[in-house]
Amino acid sequence: SQQGEEDPQALSIQEGENATMNCSYKTSINNLQWYRQNSGRGLVHLILIRSNEREKHSGRLRVTLDTSKKSSSLLITASRAADTASYFCATDDTGGFKTIFGAGTRLFVKA
Amino acid sequence: DAGVIQSPRHEVTEMGQEVTLRCKPISGHNSLFWYRQTMMRGLELLIYFNNNVPIDDSGMPEDRFSAKMPNASFSTLKIQPSEPRDSAVYFCASSLQAQPQHFGDGTRLSIL
Repeated sequence: SQQGEEDPQALSIQEGENATMNCSYKTSINNLQWYRQNSGRGLVHLILIRSNEREKHSGRLRVTLDTSKKSSSLLITASRAADTASYFCATDDTGGFKTIFGAGTRLFVKA
Repeated sequence: DAGVIQSPRHEVTEMGQEVTLRCKPISGHNSLFWYRQTMMRGLELLIYFNNNVPIDDSGMPEDRFSAKMPNASFSTLKIQPSEPRDSAVYFCASSLQAQPQHFGDGTRLSIL
């Protein structure tokens, strides 16, 4: 069963705009991760935020985590056509072995 | 760093045939994961290994699916006999325990 659910399922924006994707999960977590998947490729890890962190930055990426609401958001600023991909949130079970992925948000950035 | 290597990249076969997917994890990683991705069901974890030992195979759909990891540098996922509903992209990923996973580029499997 899926732990994380992304919202929206699909997002289409113009190059230069910001893109925000949300993720909700159901159970307690150790950390939450975001991955990107380009068409025909495997997933690539973007950023990890621990349960005791509220915000994290990496380049044009900003991730927030609200454990009280069991939700996270991924913000991509100044989007580029190359950001076109599917984005997945993922949470670890308490044992730390098993990562459960959400259904993903498909982002399309128009040049 | 060669990354996770999967083979073949594409496989087309007739139903009833045996299919074997292969994975070489990143050297030094001690966890290995097999996933299946479809439009309908998204990304599903099939099985994962830690230090070559299967930890959780609850995601393996049926007895037709089996996975092995004979050593730290090689794993296989076998489907026997294959069925059209097994058509999907199968991913292998590896990691150091509790660290982010590194994915291969997958095997696109079509069962006719």
